[in-house]
Amino acid sequence: AQKVTQAQTEISVVEKEDVTLDCVYETRDTTYYLFWYKQPPSGELVFLIRRNSFDEQNEISGRYSWNFQKSTSSFNFTITASQVVDSAVYFCALSETYYGGSQGNLIFGKGTKLSVKP
Amino acid sequence: DTGVSQDPRHKITKRGQNVTFRCDPISEHNRLYWYRQTLGQGPEFLTYFQNEAQLEKSRLLSDRFSAERPKGSFSTLEIQRTEQGDSAMYLCASSPQAYEQYFGPGTRLTVT
Repeated sequence: AQKVTQAQTEISVVEKEDVTLDCVYETRDTTYYLFWYKQPPSGELVFLIRRNSFDEQNEISGRYSWNFQKSTSSFNFTITASQVVDSAVYFCALSETYYGGSQGNLIFGKGTKLSVKP
Repeated sequence: DTGVSQDPRHKITKRGQNVTFRCDPISEHNRLYWYRQTLGQGPEFLTYFQNEAQLEKSRLLSDRFSAERPKGSFSTLEIQRTEQGDSAMYLCASSPQAYEQYFGPGTRLTVT
């Protein structure tokens, strides 16, 4: 069965601290996709990153970086020098493939609520 | 290019009433998804359309729920005989073939 676990329910940091959000997934597929979404207080889910299972390169985008490790089934997200505007709920998600190889629906973790205090 | 839009944003209804929500995807996105999100949880998949064809339905989608996507454009999600357990945020997402899903602002349903 497919599953995404975000063990950290809530994290609170002070501005400018670095913070890492953990994500562990379970799947039997060899081809799958991993995502991170941000849900600010306004409620709309904002896409951050998509990774396929064959690409284990870490990625950096500004203050955001992602560490994908197949050996531990983890896809962790780090925010460097956090800012108050980073306060939100962050969701990790997994998508397997439908027949024919196309990407399927998303399976979300329960989310991690990040509070960045000034 | 506008994003995914959903209407209404909020809906309060009495138990037993029927409700219908609308989703307008990003133009030219052939895939459309419906999810449900309850407080403190991640979104849960309900159903998926590729163009006008409904290709997958979750076991969460009881027979009181029906979704359509006529002509492969906008989609509607109807809940018949609403129950208090249906209270949730209903999210719509769209994507081009095999890419990331873009979410709308959601419709918050409260069943009293």
